[in-house]
Amino acid sequence: SAVISQKPSRDICQRGTSLTIQCQVDSQVTMMFWYRQQPGQSLTLIATANQGSEATYESGFVIDKFPISRPNLTFSTLTVSNMSPEDSSIYLCSVESRGSDEQYFGPGTRLTVT
Amino acid sequence: AQSVTQPDIHITVSEGASLELRCNYSYGATPYLFWYVQSPGQGLQLLLKYFSGDTLVQGIKGFEAEFKRSQSSFNLRKPSVHWSDAAEYFCVLRSGGYNKLIFGAGTRLAVHP
Repeated sequence: SAVISQKPSRDICQRGTSLTIQCQVDSQVTMMFWYRQQPGQSLTLIATANQGSEATYESGFVIDKFPISRPNLTFSTLTVSNMSPEDSSIYLCSVESRGSDEQYFGPGTRLTVT
Repeated sequence: AQSVTQPDIHITVSEGASLELRCNYSYGATPYLFWYVQSPGQGLQLLLKYFSGDTLVQGIKGFEAEFKRSQSSFNLRKPSVHWSDAAEYFCVLRSGGYNKLIFGAGTRLAVHP
C-alpha cells in the first residue's frame, strides 16, 4: 500500500482565514480524494482531485469554499477558505491506484476554527 | 439510493469474548464492500474487502466478514477480542465504477479487561 503524509497534522485557525492542507504520496497513484470527518461523525467525500483539471465536487461542496489542486500524480492540496467554527473537522486524503480497487488514507489533518 | 447502515453506535465486550459488528447496505447491483478501522493516532486502516466470489472473507488482525446478499448484510466478526481492538469501525460501500466510498456512521468498540 502507498505511504501517505499530510501537512499540517493539526492547526488552530481564526474564523475568516484560510488553511491549505497538503497530501503527499510516495508513489504515483491514479486517484486522489479528499474527505471530511466532522466531530463524532463519519467520513464524507468532499471531492475527487483530478490531475491537470478541475476537481469533481460532491453535492454540498463547492470550489470557492474548498479549492483543490493536483499538479502531479503524487501531490494534492485542499484549501479550506473563509473558515467558520463549523469547518472544525478532520480532513483526510485518500488514494487509489489503477486496478487496485482499494483506497488508502492519510493520517488526517485536525482543524479547529475559533 | 446507495447507503450503509451500522445499527450499533457503541458496543462493549470483554477481552477474549467474540465480536460481531453489524452492517447493512442498500445498493442496486453487486456491491463492493469494505471494513475500515480507525484508531486514535493511527488513522484509517483497511481490514478487509468483498468484491465477489467467496462470501466469507478474511482480513487482517484476525477479522473476518460474511456477505449475505439475501439480508443485504456484511457483518464483521472476530472470535476473540483483544484490548488493542478498541477503536471505531466503519463499514463502507464503493459506488460502482465511480470510486466513491460511502461510509456508515461507524461503531465504536470498547473492550473491558
